[in-house]
Amino acid sequence: QVHLEESGGGLVKPGGSLRLSCAASGFTFTDYSMSWIRQAPGKGLEWLSCVSPGNKHAMYADPLRGRLSVSRDDAKRSVFLQIDNLRAEDTAVYYCATENYFKSDYWGRGTLVTVSS
Amino acid sequence: QSALTQPPSASGSPGQSVTISCTGTSSDVGAYDYVSWYQQHPGKAPKLMIYEVNKRPSGVPDRFTGSKSGNTASLTVSGLQAEDEADYYCASHAGGGIVIFGGGTRLTVL
Repeated sequence: QVHLEESGGGLVKPGGSLRLSCAASGFTFTDYSMSWIRQAPGKGLEWLSCVSPGNKHAMYADPLRGRLSVSRDDAKRSVFLQIDNLRAEDTAVYYCATENYFKSDYWGRGTLVTVSS
Repeated sequence: QSALTQPPSASGSPGQSVTISCTGTSSDVGAYDYVSWYQQHPGKAPKLMIYEVNKRPSGVPDRFTGSKSGNTASLTVSGLQAEDEADYYCASHAGGGIVIFGGGTRLTVL
């Protein structure tokens, strides 16, 4: 059974940084790229980034390019998202998801990031 | 990379059919057959309902069908049921490994 569990969210001050983690189980991790998608309170989904197995390729949404860094540790079945220079508008639930041919088959339950002074 | 355009709301009575549109451009929806649809109930993670325009993952009822014409994709839910009430999001590959989502449509079962 596929299971994705995000962690690392919390309250962060504007200008700060955060590193989110996602632990995966129940599937062959190296068969999938892994994505991060966020959802601000009461708003829609926003695709942020994706990393392929072995960190061979990393893609980023243009609006956040430069503030995001995605990586994965295939041996530990984990994927990470570093977000720098956090702003109030980064407040959201951050989901990790498997990505295969531009579709997200499986999703975690998300971790809430709140940016506030 | 602008968000795909969806109507904010849609509704139908039990047993009826409803179609939700998703309009993009010739650089995303119109360029690739990598359009997917997700269902999200309040407080829950999204669930993949349709991928590659019209394919259904295992376990998704055949009441959910997808299609595409030009720069517009559509999701049709037939035989509406109470449990279909949720937010629906389309997404498309937009080149360079990038994915963009629509703004979402709240489906209400009257």
